[in-house]
Amino acid sequence: GAGVSQSPSNKVTEKGKDVELRCDPISGHTALYWYRQSLGQGLEFLIYFQGNSAPDKSGLPSDRFSAERTGGSVSTLTIQRTQQEDSAVYLCASSLGGQDTEAFFGQGTRLTVV
Amino acid sequence: GENVEQHPSTLSVQEGDSAVIKCTYSDSASNYFPWYKQELGKGPQLIIDIRSNVGEKKDQRIAVTLNKTAKHFSLHITETQPEDSAVYFCAASIGASYDKVIFGPGTSLSVIP
Repeated sequence: GAGVSQSPSNKVTEKGKDVELRCDPISGHTALYWYRQSLGQGLEFLIYFQGNSAPDKSGLPSDRFSAERTGGSVSTLTIQRTQQEDSAVYLCASSLGGQDTEAFFGQGTRLTVV
Repeated sequence: GENVEQHPSTLSVQEGDSAVIKCTYSDSASNYFPWYKQELGKGPQLIIDIRSNVGEKKDQRIAVTLNKTAKHFSLHITETQPEDSAVYFCAASIGASYDKVIFGPGTSLSVIP
């Protein structure tokens, strides 16, 4: 597709369960970002992948959160033992990287933990 | 680390009037300042950006200004239209990295027809 694709668009899970959120970036984009947006709030940086470099995980809120990026393309954000405070929209973005910095966002995954 | 503040949090204007959103940042090494627009149910979309080597940039009805000394930058929308209603986010790069930014908390703009 032409844009960043995220799946699922909506996810309802029970407290304590693990969830996986998927992001398909724009083909050829070397940089990939995950953000979290709580209701009415701004964009909280979670993790950043750039090419083959070690990811910048400085924004992950706890060790229940992890992310992978396989083959420099698709990324999966995993939240283990979900808590109600994890409920938010999780946004993925990709860019060409370097000084060409426009980040293209997906529509997000709305996660609700009940 | 970098901290970005944004004001106001909500803004209502009459159609045709101007809207101004202001942001401040803390990292004096920041050199890239994008603005994103987020419509309901969609991801944010870049509308304009400015780099530290210029003080102002315009694109039709949208303009951004940057004051590096004071560490603040602003978004100006003139002749507002109902389709300008959205949440606007400013952002500032972390240092001179270009490829990692910190976002402000957002401004919800409503343009009243």
